[in-house]
Amino acid sequence: AQSVTQLGSHVSVSEGALVLLRCNYSSSVPPYLFWYVQYPNQGLQLLLKYTSAATLVKGINGFEAEFKKSETSFHLTKPSAHMSDAAEYFCAVTGGTSYGKLTFGQGTILTVHP
Amino acid sequence: DAGVIQSPRHEVTEMGQEVTLRCKPISGHNSLFWYRQTMMRGLELLIYFNNNVPIDDSGMPEDRFSAKMPNASFSTLKIQPSEPRDSAVYFCASILTRGAAGTDTQYFGPGTRLTVL
Repeated sequence: AQSVTQLGSHVSVSEGALVLLRCNYSSSVPPYLFWYVQYPNQGLQLLLKYTSAATLVKGINGFEAEFKKSETSFHLTKPSAHMSDAAEYFCAVTGGTSYGKLTFGQGTILTVHP
Repeated sequence: DAGVIQSPRHEVTEMGQEVTLRCKPISGHNSLFWYRQTMMRGLELLIYFNNNVPIDDSGMPEDRFSAKMPNASFSTLKIQPSEPRDSAVYFCASILTRGAAGTDTQYFGPGTRLTVL
């Protein structure tokens, strides 16, 4: 069984500040982890994914995430927030023979203040 | 590639009516997923197919919901009869699963916003 917990349903930062969105996972098999972003009235779009190669993964729009097995975490960061980063972010896990099925967290809404 | 295509983008219907949502996955993809998103329940997986065969429909809320995938390029999600609590955004996603399971990317469509009055 797999599950994802995203700590904080809402995160608010100032423009230019560090963005940190937290994700912890549980998995009985080696996990593959994903971060998706959803802008208002749009579908989900892949930001980055961890597939057991490098533990530090770089994605689009300056985001990155680090896989920490000992902490069962996959937190998403960006050094400097931009107004355009305002969106909802979802962490997801998969693994094993799953046909690509993802288990999503509940999402974190990021607000960026000028 | 045009991406995952969903139609209609918006649907407003009255309680008791039949609703059919449509999805065209990315060409060549072999798995297809239907999700529902609401404020209260977040993103829920309803059903998914692999090579046009339903693999897991445990997320389908009740018998009023049914999904089909008659061929690799088309899927439908039907609600009959519809109820106000079915109001949500319904997403379709597709993926080409190859090599190590789970490393490939699901691509989402833009969604269908359903309102049942």
